[in-house]
Amino acid sequence: GNSVTQMEGPVTLSEEAFLTINCTYTATGYPSLFWYVQYPGEGLQLLLKATKADDKGSNKGFEATYRKETTSFHLEKGSVQVSDSAVYFCALRIYNQGGKLIFGQGTELSVKP
Amino acid sequence: GAVVSQHPSWVICKSGTSVKIECRSLDFQATTMFWYRQFPKQSLMLMATSNEGSKATYEQGVEKDKFLINHASLTLSTLTVTSAHPEDSSFYICSARDPQGSSYNEQFFGPGTRLTVL
Repeated sequence: GNSVTQMEGPVTLSEEAFLTINCTYTATGYPSLFWYVQYPGEGLQLLLKATKADDKGSNKGFEATYRKETTSFHLEKGSVQVSDSAVYFCALRIYNQGGKLIFGQGTELSVKP
Repeated sequence: GAVVSQHPSWVICKSGTSVKIECRSLDFQATTMFWYRQFPKQSLMLMATSNEGSKATYEQGVEKDKFLINHASLTLSTLTVTSAHPEDSSFYICSARDPQGSSYNEQFFGPGTRLTVL
């Protein structure tokens, strides 16, 4: 079946620290991969995406590379800010399945000043 | 970017009553909307896919008679939780797909509705 597994949170970092949130997936087809962010009290927002192997998605200093050989899509940022505190969701979408997204369990990030 | 709203943002109701949640695409027409349920500290679980003018497609294990979905127009889908019980308390999130947008198939999410059943 199709599934997404993320590292468990909460992750607590100091400002300007390096961030990695691990995400691995299993998929019966050839998925597109996404990272969504949910700030407190708000809906999910698309952070970045990659649609094929070796693609790198990037936005707001965050990056993730689609690694087919390791079935991974780890999220990284070189220097986090307090404003990055949120819950991050990794997700996949299989082509020709009606656009459905399958989410990981979410990883809460807390950045301290 | 595309904006999706939900109403109400939170609702408290008594056990046995029905609650309707609205999901609107504000600046685009959405032929497809999705309804998710999110438990505390857990992921979003897809409940159903709602297509304008046709019946919703429910995921396995979701009771279609309990969670009624209506997608009567290209900008509005509603989820009605019928005869709500405390175990239905959750955070309900909708998303809408903009078929005309630059990122075809991208889903835009509403802010969610917190349902508490007493």
